[in-house]
Amino acid sequence: AQSVAQPEDQVNVAEGNPLTVKCTYSVSGNPYLFWYVQYPNRGLQFLLKYITGDNLVKGSYGFEAEFNKSQTSFHLKKPSALVSDSALYFCAVSLRESGGSYIPTFGRGTSLIVHP
Amino acid sequence: GAGVSQSPRYKVAKRGQDVALRCDPISGHVSLFWYQQALGQGPEFLTYFQNEAQLDKSGLPSDRFFAERPEGSVSTLKIQRTQQEDSAVYLCASSLRTSGGSTDTQYFGPGTRLTVL
Repeated sequence: AQSVAQPEDQVNVAEGNPLTVKCTYSVSGNPYLFWYVQYPNRGLQFLLKYITGDNLVKGSYGFEAEFNKSQTSFHLKKPSALVSDSALYFCAVSLRESGGSYIPTFGRGTSLIVHP
Repeated sequence: GAGVSQSPRYKVAKRGQDVALRCDPISGHVSLFWYQQALGQGPEFLTYFQNEAQLDKSGLPSDRFFAERPEGSVSTLKIQRTQQEDSAVYLCASSLRTSGGSTDTQYFGPGTRLTVL
């Protein structure tokens, strides 16, 4: 079984400040991890993914995420938030090992609000 | 190139009606996924196609839900005898290869918002 937790329903940050959106996961093997963003009335857009290798993953629009195996976390970060980053962010996990489920499981989402 | 498109964007159905939701994936994408997103929730997997083969339908909530992709391109999700609990946004996604979504980036359509009265 695999699951994802996004412990914050909403994150508020001032424009120009660093932002963090938290994600923790639970899988029985080695995970693939993803972040997606959803703007109102639009589908999910891919931001970044961790497959293997360097624990720090850089993605679109200046976002990055760090895979921490010991803490089973994959937090999304950005050094300087923009008002236009305000959106709904989803973390997803997919199991890597053969025999496991390769279908991603999504978290409930975190609403990011960046204040001018 | 064009992204994933879905139609209709909005659908209102009376309880008991049948509905059909269409997904046009990115041209050449082998894998196609359907998800259901309830209000305030993340997408939940419904079913997965590799070309025309439906390899996983474990997420379909009942036998009222049926999906097909007869020519390995366009897909249709059909819901028979709709119920109020079927109200949700139905998302379609496609990916290029055949890894079952494990590593491939999934490209999502804008979704169809279904409201059952």
